[in-house]
Amino acid sequence: LAKTTQPISMDSYEGQEVNITCSHNNIATNDYITWYQQFPSQGPRFIIQGYKTKVTNEVASLFIPADRKSSTLSLPRVSLSDTAVYYCLVGVYNFNKFYFGSGTKLNVKP
Amino acid sequence: ETGVTQTPRHLVMGMTNKKSLKCEQHLGHNAMYWYKQSAKKPLELMFVYNFKEQTENNSVPSRFSPECPNSSHLFLHLHTLQPEDSALYLCASSAVAGGLGLADTGELFFGEGSRLTVL
Repeated sequence: LAKTTQPISMDSYEGQEVNITCSHNNIATNDYITWYQQFPSQGPRFIIQGYKTKVTNEVASLFIPADRKSSTLSLPRVSLSDTAVYYCLVGVYNFNKFYFGSGTKLNVKP
Repeated sequence: ETGVTQTPRHLVMGMTNKKSLKCEQHLGHNAMYWYKQSAKKPLELMFVYNFKEQTENNSVPSRFSPECPNSSHLFLHLHTLQPEDSALYLCASSAVAGGLGLADTGELFFGEGSRLTVL
């Protein structure tokens, strides 16, 4: 299983764009990259998933370079409610083994 | 509302008690999971069930006993727990590929969790 490395924490201010990068050097050919958001005392919530290049939805964008050894979650114009822990997961979903790393604690300030 | 319901939301038990956590999903998924989240630690995958069959036991102590009677329900039976077992226990479900008409996006749907305190 590909191991992921993320910054432990990040600070931002309301209205700014936030980019969180995840490193996954030993990602396998069949692996997808998925990001989750978790608020305190709640279960994680799916944000976005991608395989290569760029994926965008109503919440975020996911940038994946050609070598796929890293990925960047981009949150446009964050608000205080975006304060949460963000997890990057890499895995082969047919095997249904999803391991979470330490995540990145994002603190959005007024 | 994620479609995954966990009960109870809070549980306090002594070390000699026997209790159970329940999880129910209304999403038509065929894979269900138990995760443990201790304070200031990442989520730890405990058990995985695919089509009611246990496919993963991540070296979990035997005082935790999972049960999956059908694809919609998952239990975690607890007995003779230790104080260090106090944590948030999260249940999740996902679709499983395999020609069953379900898209395997790898998206996990989590419940709100059961906060367990062992005295």
